[in-house]
Order: sequence, then C-alpha cells, then structure tokens
Amino acid sequence: KQEVTQIPAALSVPEGENLVLNCSFTDSAIYNLQWFRQDPGKGLTSLLLIQSSQREQTSGRLNASLDKSSGRSTLYIAASQPGDSATYLCAVSPGAGSYQLTFGKGTKLSVIP
Amino acid sequence: NAGVTQTPKFRILKIGQSMTLQCTQDMNHNYMYWYRQDPGMGLKLIYYSVGAGITDKGEVPNGYNVSRSTTEDFPLRLELAAPSQTSVYFCASSYYEVAGVQETQYFGPGTRLLVL
Repeated sequence: KQEVTQIPAALSVPEGENLVLNCSFTDSAIYNLQWFRQDPGKGLTSLLLIQSSQREQTSGRLNASLDKSSGRSTLYIAASQPGDSATYLCAVSPGAGSYQLTFGKGTKLSVIP
Repeated sequence: NAGVTQTPKFRILKIGQSMTLQCTQDMNHNYMYWYRQDPGMGLKLIYYSVGAGITDKGEVPNGYNVSRSTTEDFPLRLELAAPSQTSVYFCASSYYEVAGVQETQYFGPGTRLLVL
C-alpha cells in the first residue's frame, strides 16, 4: 500500500528566506505527483503536477522536483512571503485516471513578516 | 465558471440522522471524487465516479453512498450518521481522456460536518 510522508509537519521561516518542503513515497510505481496548497477553512489548490517521466516543474517562485527511483519529491519556494503561509500537501497517483490519489498529511508553513 | 461548489458549508447532525452533501461542477469534467479530511491528516478517498451512471468505492466508503445521474452533480449521502463521520468533506473533479494528458483535480471549498 502506498504511503506518503511529509517532513516537517510544520515550518516557520522569516520572510524572504528560500525554503524546501519534502515529500517521500514508498512505492516508486507512480504515474504523477502533485503539490497542493490548502488555506485554513478552504479547499485545495493545485500548484504543480509532475509526470513520472519528468524531473521537475516550475511555476513562478515555486519549483518541484521528482526523483521517482528514490521515492522523493521536494517543493522549493524562493523568496518566501507572508502570503505563502498555508498547508502544503503532496499526493501521488498510481494510474492515469488519478482517482487513487494518496495524500501526505501536509506541512504547515508560516512565513513571519 | 464557478468551478466546484459544495453545500452546505457547515452542518451539525445528531447520531442516527441522515443527510446529503451536494456537489456541482460546471467545467464539464468526467471524473468526480469525494474525500474526507480529519484533523492533521491527509485526504482519504470515499467514492469516485468516472462518468454519469458510474461510481466506485475508494479507500473509506463505509457509511456513505453516492449517485451520479448527471455530469455536473455528485451528491454524497450519509445514512445513520455516527461520531466517526465528523470530518471535513471535499468534492473534486477532473478531466481525463484515454491516452490524453492527465489533468489535476479541482477542489470545492468543503463541508464541515459535526456529528453529536
């Protein structure tokens, strides 16, 4: 059974710092990996989706990498801002239909002004 | 587009009561999903649907039922509510075609349910 772990569970950084969030998964036979953002009391918003054949994806100040063989992904946030404060979740899909997304518990990020 | 909408936003139920959580999407997505999220935990899939008239169980289906009579709507029914069903429920949708590029899932704002 696929298990997804995110470390750390919580992270607090001063504004302007670059930071890395980690995600690991136990079964390397994945179709893709996604990073989501969740604000308090809100739904999830997709940030980046990496196909299994890709090594990384970038969107603005965000860069996600994928090392499928080692079962790891990182989300790099450059020049953090208070508005980046949220919980970040990663999820993996074993098949093309994506209905079997397995989520990690998330990393709660606080960016201090 | 409104995206994925869910009603109600919050509900308190007594043990043994029943209710239906509504979910509607206006993006013409063929896939729809129901998840639950318990405090400090990731999301767990309850049921999913790959098209109108087709539904299947996810990881935690017990105590729930779904139907998909239209592309837009995917209601989740709770029968005989129990305290263990206290959670936040998220509906999501996505588009997928065979041999096509898999797209991400779009989530609704959630329904917070408290069973007392």
